Amino acid sequence: SAVISQKPSRDICQRGTSLTIQCQVDSQVTMMFWYRQQPGQSLTLIATANQGSEATYESGFVIDKFPISRPNLTFSTLTVSNMSPEDSSIYLCSVDWNYGYTFGSGTRLTVV
Amino acid sequence: GENVEQHPSTLSVQEGDSAVIKCTYSDSASNYFPWYKQELGKRPQLIIDIRSNVGEKKDQRIAVTLNKTAKHFSLHITETQPEDSAVYFCAAGSTYKYIFGTGTRLKVLA
Repeated sequence: SAVISQKPSRDICQRGTSLTIQCQVDSQVTMMFWYRQQPGQSLTLIATANQGSEATYESGFVIDKFPISRPNLTFSTLTVSNMSPEDSSIYLCSVDWNYGYTFGSGTRLTVV
Repeated sequence: GENVEQHPSTLSVQEGDSAVIKCTYSDSASNYFPWYKQELGKRPQLIIDIRSNVGEKKDQRIAVTLNKTAKHFSLHITETQPEDSAVYFCAAGSTYKYIFGTGTRLKVLA
């Protein structure tokens, strides 16, 4: 399966600031996915990132709040912009590897 | 929209007993049904999956069954061990996009 390196692993941020999360995959993949997991909750898809095109956002998530970059087939970033305490969550990137996701280790974000 | 319901939300079993977690999905186009195990503070890990052309799949102590007509699928863990304690998520979907269930917290009591 693919190996995904995600960073930072955790951060504490001031409200109103932005945080960029990076994911690096050890293999080329067409699509990368960004998920949010609020404490004790399930996983919610934020957006799908394709190389060379704009990300596709799910209902309730917008590009201005969660801009995504996908400069090549092994890397993607998710930015959480103008943060509020409600953005405190775990953010995970993932790739679909021969069916079934492989997830990054996650970024635990706390907004104070 | 598409929805995946998962039950129970918590499940406690004695070590050595069996555990069953059930999921129901709404999108009839779903053709792939993975199960993930998430230990505290760790990433979800794929433990077993099943495709729509198969009714049952087994891997050692875990098995998954699928009833496409009823849009139900279930995870069965036999001879549970303390290390099986975790949160389990089902998911349903097709073509890379999956909807996750709400999770089941399994506690195996020694």
